[in-house]
Amino acid sequence: QVQLQESGPGLVKPSQTLSLTCTISGGSINSGSYYWTWIRQPAAKGPEWIGRMSVFGKTDYNPSLKSRVTISAVTSRNQFSLKLTSVAAADTAVYYCAREEANRGSAIDIWGQGTMVTVSS
Amino acid sequence: DIQMTQSPSSLSAYVGDRVTITCRASRSISSFVSWSQQKPGQAPKLLIYSASFLQSGVPSRFSGSGSGTDFTLTISSLQPEDFATYYCQQTYSTPYTFGQGTKLEVK
Repeated sequence: QVQLQESGPGLVKPSQTLSLTCTISGGSINSGSYYWTWIRQPAAKGPEWIGRMSVFGKTDYNPSLKSRVTISAVTSRNQFSLKLTSVAAADTAVYYCAREEANRGSAIDIWGQGTMVTVSS
Repeated sequence: DIQMTQSPSSLSAYVGDRVTITCRASRSISSFVSWSQQKPGQAPKLLIYSASFLQSGVPSRFSGSGSGTDFTLTISSLQPEDFATYYCQQTYSTPYTFGQGTKLEVK
């Protein structure tokens, strides 16, 4: 059973870079039918799709964040990561890594438990 | 971006009730809609994909329908564990977008 686990700092200062890692267990990042995805959810709000990457190197980002976001993989560690630069208070949210399943209409079928990131000085 | 308008934003119901939540897309998205359930402090959990397909392990009281722009999630007989927030999501084109959520509360 595939599981995802986010890790990284829970507090980031304004204007700095938010860096999170997602570790995949019970499966391989190299499976071709998946996109590896980051989603965030501010308190009391709906989720916001940040972006995704495939094992073939294709990435897609939300245009609202595109200039600040990078999603990449460390395949040897079965991990993928999120970097968000120049953060501000509006970036405070629970950040989830997730798996998009191409054979299920691109639905997000597996989520990590989420990690809270606060942007504050 | 495709906007997903979900209604109602909140709903009160009794155990055993049949409830329906709707989601409307700002343009046609074929059947590229999924529905998820989120309980406080937890990640969302996939219930329905491709508008009407039940995710493995999800009780059959959950069902989905629709295509094009209008979609529904139905719970045929509410159970105590079903009181949660429900989200629709379109996966027709990036950026994927979510509805604003429906909070289902016990009456």
